[in-house]
Amino acid sequence: GAVVSQHPSRVICKSGTSVKIECRSLDFQATTMFWYRQFPKKSLMLMATSNEGSKATYEQGVEKDKFLINHASLTLSTLTVTSAHPEDSSFYICSARNATKTYNEQFFGPGTRLTVL
Amino acid sequence: AQKVTQAQTEISVVEKEDVTLDCVYETRDTTYYLFWYKQPPSGELVFLIRRNSFDEQNEISGRYSWNFQKSTSSFNFTITASQVVDSAVYFCALSTVLTLTGGGNKLTFGTGTQLKVEL
Repeated sequence: GAVVSQHPSRVICKSGTSVKIECRSLDFQATTMFWYRQFPKKSLMLMATSNEGSKATYEQGVEKDKFLINHASLTLSTLTVTSAHPEDSSFYICSARNATKTYNEQFFGPGTRLTVL
Repeated sequence: AQKVTQAQTEISVVEKEDVTLDCVYETRDTTYYLFWYKQPPSGELVFLIRRNSFDEQNEISGRYSWNFQKSTSSFNFTITASQVVDSAVYFCALSTVLTLTGGGNKLTFGTGTQLKVEL
């Protein structure tokens, strides 16, 4: 299968600290990974597209200095929420695109629930 | 721009009832893909189906069936004989074909439909 993991699954931090979330494709190489944010009872909103070896492409309205994305290898992308504040509390989901699949479909991680106190 | 509309915010049914979740999409692209995902309380997205824009055949998988109508830009999802385990949020999503620059494949999600199946 195509498995994507996220770590941590849940994190609680104090306001002003930075939090790093990892997204890994476990059994395939992912040249592209996507980061989504989901507020309670809301839809998934694409934050950015992460391409291995290059800068991430951020969606309109997403602060790139606030949400740092690094995609240093074909199996790992990280999202760092810098100087987190309570309004950053959310469910963050990553997905990875398997370039070897016919359609290049996305496979989703289990999500990371961030709570900023 | 692409848009996916799921007008039903929440649906409640009694177990064994059939239920249809509506999805209407907008896109200017002639080639695109439509998806349905299930999100149980745990939060993890579960892939249910992918359909490309050239395949209008309806599909059935067990108690699940999908009706794709290009003429009305709809991709509705029906659960037959619903069960309590079907309780979840269901998302419809749209994606265009990968572009030559590799920037395609973005998924646009609808707002989701919360399905509650009660005994």
